[in-house]
Amino acid sequence: SQTIHQWPATLVQPVGSPLSLECTVEGTSNPNLYWYRQAAGRGLQLLFYSVGIGQISSEVPQNLSASRPQDRQFILSSKKLLLSDSGFYLCAWSPLPPGGALYEQYFGPGTRLTVT
Amino acid sequence: AQKVTQAQTEISVVEKEDVTLDCVYETRDTTYYLFWYKQPPSGELVFLIRRNSFDEQNEISGRYSWNFQKSTSSFNFTITASQVVDSAVYFCALSEAGGFGNEKLTFGTGTRLTIIP
Repeated sequence: SQTIHQWPATLVQPVGSPLSLECTVEGTSNPNLYWYRQAAGRGLQLLFYSVGIGQISSEVPQNLSASRPQDRQFILSSKKLLLSDSGFYLCAWSPLPPGGALYEQYFGPGTRLTVT
Repeated sequence: AQKVTQAQTEISVVEKEDVTLDCVYETRDTTYYLFWYKQPPSGELVFLIRRNSFDEQNEISGRYSWNFQKSTSSFNFTITASQVVDSAVYFCALSEAGGFGNEKLTFGTGTRLTIIP
């Protein structure tokens, strides 16, 4: 069966510090991968998605970036964190069935980031 | 552009009552998929159901049921005999069956459901 891991689970970082969040998926090949952010009490905001190694699409221009160095690894980074980067970061994957229709996304446990 | 509206921001019901969460969507496509997710206090989103636009049959899974009506662009979710463990934020989502690899989910803003013991 497929599983998705995220780490760290919680993180407290000062403003201006760098960030690296990691997401890995097991039990599947060539998944679509996604990064979402959820501010406190708010809905989900899609940040990045990737359909393959090295292929990243950005949904919201900001001081965050994403990379996919391996098929099942997705990394969210920042060189300098802002207070507004605080939130709950969720990684998700979805299979790529024939025909291109998007099936459901499966989410990781999330990383709760507090920028102080 | 596609859009999902969950007009109910918060709902509270007493345990064992039935509750319906509303979801209204907008899309120009004739082929699309609808989803419901549950986000318990732990934070992880749990997939509940997927429905494609060609299948309007209602679905029942235990205490959960879903009513898909294309005529009103709605995909409502009913919990029967609610329990405290049902307390969570519930998200409705939509995806259009577009080109290979370009599909994305559009989420509603969520409904926070509180079951009072």
